Amino acid sequence: SYELTQPPSVSVSPGQTASITCSGDKLGNKFACWYQQKPGQSPVLVIYQDTKRPSGIPERFSGSNSGNTATLTISGTQAMDEADYYCQAWDSNTGVFGTGTKVTVL
Amino acid sequence: EVQLVQSGPEVKKPGESLKISCKGSGYSFTSNWIGWVRQMPGKGLEWMGNIYPGDSDTTYSPPFQGHVTISADKSLNTAYLQWSSLKASDTAVYYCARQLVEMALDCWGQGTLVTVSS
Repeated sequence: SYELTQPPSVSVSPGQTASITCSGDKLGNKFACWYQQKPGQSPVLVIYQDTKRPSGIPERFSGSNSGNTATLTISGTQAMDEADYYCQAWDSNTGVFGTGTKVTVL
Repeated sequence: EVQLVQSGPEVKKPGESLKISCKGSGYSFTSNWIGWVRQMPGKGLEWMGNIYPGDSDTTYSPPFQGHVTISADKSLNTAYLQWSSLKASDTAVYYCARQLVEMALDCWGQGTLVTVSS
């Protein structure tokens, strides 16, 4: 089965840039999306089709996808960005989530 | 406003059956797939499967095939997830979410906590 691997945790200082990777076989040939989940809340879509931001998502969130790696970048990270982040892609008509990354804003 | 409202928390015993629901509003319910996602306590998101309410076409992720049933009633704008015989390992929060044409899940329900314990 298809697997997406993320680092368990990323730490970032306020105002700095956080980069979260998502690795999977030939992931660049698929569309990747990203979700933010805060404790006790439902996930929120922050990036879809590799680079697109849904309405209402701040510009500091951006995405890329090439080769075997998709990346979510948070520029000028704020305390409110502290959350778990999950990538997601599709393989054989089945959704696959990444292992998740906890972003801590120190 | 697009909304998905799920049924309330459930406490069940092993072996019991259960059906939880997800009601959509604010959009054409039959025009988008609805996905179901499991989150076990303290763990990540897992894709279970999805359904197209327009014709009830359904797909399942292999680990969940045969263990759950996904259905929909388009007259009620409601999708369902059901179990015929629950196990303790089914304890989790279950989310439904609307799937865009672009394949991402753009609107999520509030989640339904299912607790299975003897």
